[in-house]
Amino acid sequence: GAVVSQHPSRVICKSGTSVKIECRSLDFQATTMFWYRQFPKQSLMLMATSNEGSKATYEQGVEKDKFLINHASLTLSTLTVTSAHPEDSSFYICSAIKMGGDQPQHFGDGTRLSIL
Amino acid sequence: GDSVTQMEGPVTLSEEAFLTINCTYTATGYPSLFWYVQYPGEGLQLLLKATKADDKGSNKGFEATYRKETTSFHLEKGSVQVSDSAVYFCALSDLHYGQNFVFGPGTRLSVLP
Repeated sequence: GAVVSQHPSRVICKSGTSVKIECRSLDFQATTMFWYRQFPKQSLMLMATSNEGSKATYEQGVEKDKFLINHASLTLSTLTVTSAHPEDSSFYICSAIKMGGDQPQHFGDGTRLSIL
Repeated sequence: GDSVTQMEGPVTLSEEAFLTINCTYTATGYPSLFWYVQYPGEGLQLLLKATKADDKGSNKGFEATYRKETTSFHLEKGSVQVSDSAVYFCALSDLHYGQNFVFGPGTRLSVLP
């Protein structure tokens, strides 16, 4: 149990395009989801914390108008990279926490975004 | 703020060699400590964890002991396999599982047959 699915796993698109990445908890309800960004050969950097039904909390330095997060249900959060540029190319990973208490984060398999 | 430092990689070993990946941390309070593994093209998987001093986490032949006196959580495995090739991240959190993860930079391990 506790499977988190990300879609798409890989996307290549032209500069200026907006790209939506979905993060779904398949077999549990997630009150909180997290979005991370990972540059090549570097660690994960937390971008934002997403709580169902409320606005996301962004980390310092992350442009909230650039990276739109919607957590519309207890099983789905989306990250939209608006007007993407080559510097937005990265590996984006989401994680989700089950409802109730001190629960572990379950990570998705990530989405590799390449902007040409 | 809290931070995690790992030995720089990449680490290249022959199959059945002994593995150590060093991890040290700085934190206020008493964090929980974790090792995550990332296989190529995938997300992170929890490998093991320890929630208090002197706890030993173990899984799949890997183990790490929470050393408060040296603020360390070194990862060890007695005999590595090719399938262990991955990137290993040390992390800390202020909760047993945590919402406030701080990840180390990761150490890439390559095991040669």
